[in-house]
Amino acid sequence: RKEVEQDPGPFNVPEGATVAFNCTYSNSASQSFFWYRQDCRKEPKLLMSVYSSGNEDGRFTAQLNRASQYISLLIRDSKLSDSATYLCVVTPQGGGNKLTFGTGTQLKVEL
Amino acid sequence: GAGVSQSPSNKVTEKGKDVELRCDPISGHTALYWYRQSLGQGLEFLIYFQGNSAPDKSGLPSDRFSAERTGGSVSTLTIQRTQQEDSAVYLCASSLRGGGATNEQFFGPGTRLTVL
Repeated sequence: RKEVEQDPGPFNVPEGATVAFNCTYSNSASQSFFWYRQDCRKEPKLLMSVYSSGNEDGRFTAQLNRASQYISLLIRDSKLSDSATYLCVVTPQGGGNKLTFGTGTQLKVEL
Repeated sequence: GAGVSQSPSNKVTEKGKDVELRCDPISGHTALYWYRQSLGQGLEFLIYFQGNSAPDKSGLPSDRFSAERTGGSVSTLTIQRTQQEDSAVYLCASSLRGGGATNEQFFGPGTRLTVL
């Protein structure tokens, strides 16, 4: 079993739609959680950290369920510019020095 | 300010040759990381440097891979006797310091290595 699992997609959605991505992780001792965004042939960039209490940044909401070892990302009112691959990332217990990435979920927002 | 830079951006080499990939982290960042991304695969951790501490080499796939970080700044990843399965994008990242959820890792543009 992979340490971090994501549905690869692609998710094709119309502009303005709400879309949700899920991610599961296998190590219950994982410490920190993130969503990164990667555009085609570009480097990954941090989208947002994920906290147990859940957090929201504009149109983006992230949730963490430690009991189920499950992370989600919700994008509301999707824009064409949201088209990218979304990477679920966790770090091991003891610190955030080694990121473990899922293979990513591809999102395509269409007119 | 300047971000993480990597060189070369593309490298094509023949099987069996050695290659060196370079990373210049963001000035003042004490932590430096190497990852690789193969086609259809997630990013894979290779090695981590934090200040003057011994590097975490737990992700290096074989003894053909090695990395140095000179003077706490520039890092070089060396792959000896390259194999076709080494073909990937090699990404470098740096963070202000290692550890902790708030220490965002900033990635460079990567070096795309193709082994023929």
